[in-house]
Amino acid sequence: GAGVSQSPSNKVTEKGKDVELRCDPISGHTALYWYRQRLGQGLEFLIYFQGNSAPDKSGLPSDRFSAERTGESVSTLTIQRTQQEDSAVYLCASSKGRADNEQFFGPGTRLTVL
Amino acid sequence: DQQVKQNSPSLSVQEGRISILNCDYTNSMFDYFLWYKKYPAEGPTFLISISSIKDKNEDGRFTVFLNKSAKHLSLHIVPSQPGDSAVYFCAAEEYGNKLVFGAGTILRVKS
Repeated sequence: GAGVSQSPSNKVTEKGKDVELRCDPISGHTALYWYRQRLGQGLEFLIYFQGNSAPDKSGLPSDRFSAERTGESVSTLTIQRTQQEDSAVYLCASSKGRADNEQFFGPGTRLTVL
Repeated sequence: DQQVKQNSPSLSVQEGRISILNCDYTNSMFDYFLWYKKYPAEGPTFLISISSIKDKNEDGRFTVFLNKSAKHLSLHIVPSQPGDSAVYFCAAEEYGNKLVFGAGTILRVKS
């Protein structure tokens, strides 16, 4: 497909476990973003990649959260020692770059921490 | 502190009438505003945007109005259609294309 894809679509984990969420952006999009949406709230910015580097990590809520991007393509968001408050839908978006404001979103990964 | 606020959690409109979705922001450094539409189990999709140098942008049935002095923008949909029923997010852009989103408004268009 030509859109942004994310996997898994749903993830249920136990408190204290680590999880990895994957995002495949649109081919050729140099910018990649991670957001999360908690129940009843708006989308909350987590981190932004331009190429493989992350000039803005200001939204990561704690040092349990990390993300990387390789090959200017796939990105993984890792949450270590998950807590119940990490339960949310994690959304990835990509765009052509800073000159293009339109971000294309994936369907999200719904994370539930029991 | 919410920088982008959508104070109406939901809105119900009759098919064919106008839907008006409102959004307020507090950060005067925002210079680009977007509306996204989201269906259940899907990611948000871009709908329409406006630069801070404009006060209106129109695209078919969708028009966005920006009042910078009031730090307020609105999305007008006319005529509203049942397929417009979705969650609408207002977003404002900070440096680096980071988007700051409102909490969303659920629009229901009744046929």
